[in-house]
Amino acid sequence: AQSVTQLGSHVSVSEGALVLLRCNYSSSVPPYLFWYVQYPNQGLQLLLKYTSAATLVKGINGFEAEFKKSETSFHLTKPSAHMSDAAEYFCAVSEYNFNKFYFGSGTKLNVKP
Amino acid sequence: DGGITQSPKYLFRKEGQNVTLSCEQNLNHDAMYWYRQDPGQGLRLIYYSQIVNDFQKGDIAEGYSVSREKKESFPLTVTSAQKNPTAFYLCASSPGYGYTFGSGTRLTVV
Repeated sequence: AQSVTQLGSHVSVSEGALVLLRCNYSSSVPPYLFWYVQYPNQGLQLLLKYTSAATLVKGINGFEAEFKKSETSFHLTKPSAHMSDAAEYFCAVSEYNFNKFYFGSGTKLNVKP
Repeated sequence: DGGITQSPKYLFRKEGQNVTLSCEQNLNHDAMYWYRQDPGQGLRLIYYSQIVNDFQKGDIAEGYSVSREKKESFPLTVTSAQKNPTAFYLCASSPGYGYTFGSGTRLTVV
């Protein structure tokens, strides 16, 4: 079975600083990988996805993630944090047929003024 | 606009009662899913359906039931057998290459 590990349940950065949210996966086959963002009491919104094309994936709101097979990682980054980025972020992996997603436990991002 | 509608947004249930959460989509997606979200535990899959009149148990199906009589609808019933039902419930649908989520229902047992 697939599994996803997000290191750090809470991350705090200053406005304008680099955002780095970590995600590692375990998969015996090439996975499809996703990052979602969730604002309080709302559903999840897709930020970006990796589906075996380019290893550097660009998403919405200035976020990007790099797929590193050798490290089984798919870390999310943003060069300059904005106050509106404060939310909870989830990494997810799916099997090749997208039938089931496996989610990490989430990382809450706090952005300090 | 196409999307997924979950209702109600907030729901209160007395212990021992069954309650049904609604999920409707107009995206023409074949697959639909129910997840439960608890603080610090991420999302856990309850049930999913890839086609009308068929559904499969997820990782935490005990105490829950579903039906899929129409492509657009995938209601979730939280039964009295579910010992700790207070949580945030998310419905999702997929055309086969990614999820679209509803805005969730927060269920509280009082």
